[in-house]
Amino acid sequence: EVQLVESGGGLVQPGGSLRLSCAASEFTVRTNYMSWVRQAPGKGLEWVSVIYSDGSTYYADSVKGRFTISRDNSKNTLYLQMNSLRVEDTAVYYCAREGRGELGAFDIWGQGTMVTVSS
Amino acid sequence: DIQMTQSPSSLSASVGDRVTITCRASQTISIYLNWYQQKPGRAPKLLIYAASTLQSGVPSRFSGSGSGTDFTLTISSLQPEDFATYYCQQSYTTPRTFGQGTKVEIK
Repeated sequence: EVQLVESGGGLVQPGGSLRLSCAASEFTVRTNYMSWVRQAPGKGLEWVSVIYSDGSTYYADSVKGRFTISRDNSKNTLYLQMNSLRVEDTAVYYCAREGRGELGAFDIWGQGTMVTVSS
Repeated sequence: DIQMTQSPSSLSASVGDRVTITCRASQTISIYLNWYQQKPGRAPKLLIYAASTLQSGVPSRFSGSGSGTDFTLTISSLQPEDFATYYCQQSYTTPRTFGQGTKVEIK
């Protein structure tokens, strides 16, 4: 079954770091555009970052310079390294695949992992 | 960045009603417009991509239309399982951006 499974969320203090993982099954992360999308409690969806198949990366202004997206091709896994965390980074973080035939729509989503930034 | 504006923010409807949600982009995005359904505690689910193409497995009561800057999601006959929050999203350019969501509630 084609799926994404996130892990790595948890409680962290402001200024701390956390690394999220997103393991893919039945497709290859390296050859797809992969994004992180987050959702603060009770709020809407916010795109965070993307890594393209050529390795180029882009970030939302709200996380630029603090978050780093990467992938491990041998493990078929996507990552999000989050540094200098702020209270406003508290959210459920989803990884998602952009479907090739779907003009960039997010056709596969993980179940989400909760990140809570609080002292 | 392209801003996506949905209306209404919420609506109340009854089973069997026809429901329409609109989404407007701050600049033209051709047909690079997608619709998602999200239920509480669940990940979003892709319903429609490229403005009007139904994702595999999605019931035919869902339809999408529009191009350029103005788009519409229509549910022809609302079913109990359709009560959820709906988001539009543009995939024309990076950063990808979402509308603020439309919550469809039971009247």
